[in-house]
Amino acid sequence: DIQMTQSPSTLSASVGDRVTITCRASQSISSWLAWYQQKPGKAPNLLIYKASTLESGVPSRFSGSGSGTEFTLTINGLQPDDFATYYCQQYNTYWTFGQGTKVEIK
Amino acid sequence: EVQLVESGGGLVKPGGSLRLSCVASGFTFNSYSMNWVRQAPGKGLEWVASISSSSSSYIYHADSVKGRFTISRDNAKNSLYLQMNSLRPEDTAVYYCARDKYTSSFGDYWGQGALVTVSS
Repeated sequence: DIQMTQSPSTLSASVGDRVTITCRASQSISSWLAWYQQKPGKAPNLLIYKASTLESGVPSRFSGSGSGTEFTLTINGLQPDDFATYYCQQYNTYWTFGQGTKVEIK
Repeated sequence: EVQLVESGGGLVKPGGSLRLSCVASGFTFNSYSMNWVRQAPGKGLEWVASISSSSSSYIYHADSVKGRFTISRDNAKNSLYLQMNSLRPEDTAVYYCARDKYTSSFGDYWGQGALVTVSS
């Protein structure tokens, strides 16, 4: 099974900050990686797929990079609406999610 | 507008059974593979099962539910199902259905979730 490890688990930041979340796969998944945002009581919302492709309607301050086993999600200029939990997901073999990164207000 | 609406959640005793449904609208259901994902209270996301658009290409279940849960679909009714048997307390979670953007890919649309509580 492919394991996904996100870091950090929690991140404290201020509005306007640049935020980076890392996701590591236990084996190569090429670029078969997606990122989701989830707010309390809501379903996950797709942000990025194929490691770096922005889903339609997602603000351009979100970006993704990486391939193989190392991936990052970057938010340039954190907005109040961005305080949420973020998950990476591999879809190379079935689905596996990272444990999540909560972005909270500093 | 794409919509996925889950139903069938509730309180069930350990060892009991429950069937979740997910009704789809706003897209051609029989052209998309579908998935179930769950989230235990205060925890992260866990993939449960996936099924191809016609059911005939693939059906996959996570090891944690294999032999107890069964994913299925009825394209004539635009519906996805999850039959859950031999339920355990650790199956307590919100269960989401999610559409694959492309075959065997990732979830671009998700339902609002159905809460399943397994407790005596």
